[in-house]
Amino acid sequence: DTEVTQTPKHLVMGMTNKKSLKCEQHMGHRAMYWYKQKAKKPPELMFVYSYEKLSINESVPSRFSPECPNSSLLNLHLHALQPEDSALYLCASSPRAGESSDTQYFGPGTRLTVL
Amino acid sequence: AQSVTQLGSHVSVSEGALVLLRCNYSSSVPPYLFWYVQYPNQGLQLLLKYTSAATLVKGINGFEAEFKKSETSFHLTKPSAHMSDAAEYFCAVSDFRRNDYKLSFGAGTTVTVRA
Repeated sequence: DTEVTQTPKHLVMGMTNKKSLKCEQHMGHRAMYWYKQKAKKPPELMFVYSYEKLSINESVPSRFSPECPNSSLLNLHLHALQPEDSALYLCASSPRAGESSDTQYFGPGTRLTVL
Repeated sequence: AQSVTQLGSHVSVSEGALVLLRCNYSSSVPPYLFWYVQYPNQGLQLLLKYTSAATLVKGINGFEAEFKKSETSFHLTKPSAHMSDAAEYFCAVSDFRRNDYKLSFGAGTTVTVRA
């Protein structure tokens, strides 16, 4: 199994809703990432988890709350989002935490629309 | 901080023609460099990466890239374009941030292939 899966594929939510994005990998990778990507732009890093601990938070607003329950699973909890948060949210994983040469493997993304 | 610059936001080629995508890096130490491709409504897929083992790197789908330290470049080429090469291409460098590594992406180059 060499893939990163993300659910749901599409999500539409109101500004008062609470929802969660889920990411899963079964490659035994020890680093996992959340990215936000706006149309025609490169991915922007949001969070990095290394060995299930948060190692980088790129000054992301608190309405985004990451969680890493175990080494295979990464969640992104969403609450009180704004319309400008509408984007493609990508999850990625890499084999070793803190290793700069490792490839990051990306999931297909969740297309989020905030109304 | 390490960064990459992609020259040309859009490249249009005829089917069968050479594809050349330009990437220049800024780094004070030998960098780890990556080329990713993103097809519409999908995640990113690794094409190839440079980790100092060889300056000419061969990747998937007939792509290759040459690391040139004297020019601080890592340009991506494919001898003969195919319609299926139409996509967004991102150059990236591994960058140390606080206490972990992140990928810093270029702005991206959109490739269109004319029949």
